[in-house]
Amino acid sequence: DTEVTQTPKHLVMGMTNKKSLKCEQHMGHRAMYWYKQKAKKPPELMFVYSYEKLSINESVPSRFSPECPNSSLLNLHLHALQPEDSALYLCASSPARAGETQYFGPGTRLLVL
Amino acid sequence: AQRVTQPEKLLSVFKGAPVELKCNYSYSGSPELFWYVQYSRQRLQLLLRHISRESIKGFTADLNKGETSFHLKKPFAQEEDSAMYYCALSGSTGFQKLVFGTGTRLLVSP
Repeated sequence: DTEVTQTPKHLVMGMTNKKSLKCEQHMGHRAMYWYKQKAKKPPELMFVYSYEKLSINESVPSRFSPECPNSSLLNLHLHALQPEDSALYLCASSPARAGETQYFGPGTRLLVL
Repeated sequence: AQRVTQPEKLLSVFKGAPVELKCNYSYSGSPELFWYVQYSRQRLQLLLRHISRESIKGFTADLNKGETSFHLKKPFAQEEDSAMYYCALSGSTGFQKLVFGTGTRLLVSP
């Protein structure tokens, strides 16, 4: 399996809801990433996990809570989001070495009402 | 600080014309440079990276450290090349933070 998969594809949630985004890869990659992409903008890094440990948090609000339960899975827990958080959320993975290619999932399109 | 600049938001050419998508970078070290492409309704995917020195789908890119540039070129554009192209940079040491340029939309008309 050489792809990164993400579920769900689409998600609509209210500002008081709690939801989770899921990402999975079976390429043996030990680095996994969450990005946020607004329309017509480049992806912006949110979090990096290396060997299941959080290594980079780009000053993301605490209403976004990442989790890496094992080397193949990455979750993003969402709580009390704002409408401006509506975006495409991308997961990526790579070998845990500097300068390696990152492989992206198709994304979860999130709409916060 | 890492920075990637893509000066053109939109590049419109006719089929068969040469294409050059510009990318300049700022990095105080030895960077790794990438071109990613996002076709309509498809995931972001790697097109090429400078260390592989490959030609993918007819595209090439040469790293010019003196001019801090990594321009993407193709001698004869095809309609299926129409997509969003992102230049990206990461460091060659430490944690892998990938920084993207703002992207250039390439539109190839028949």
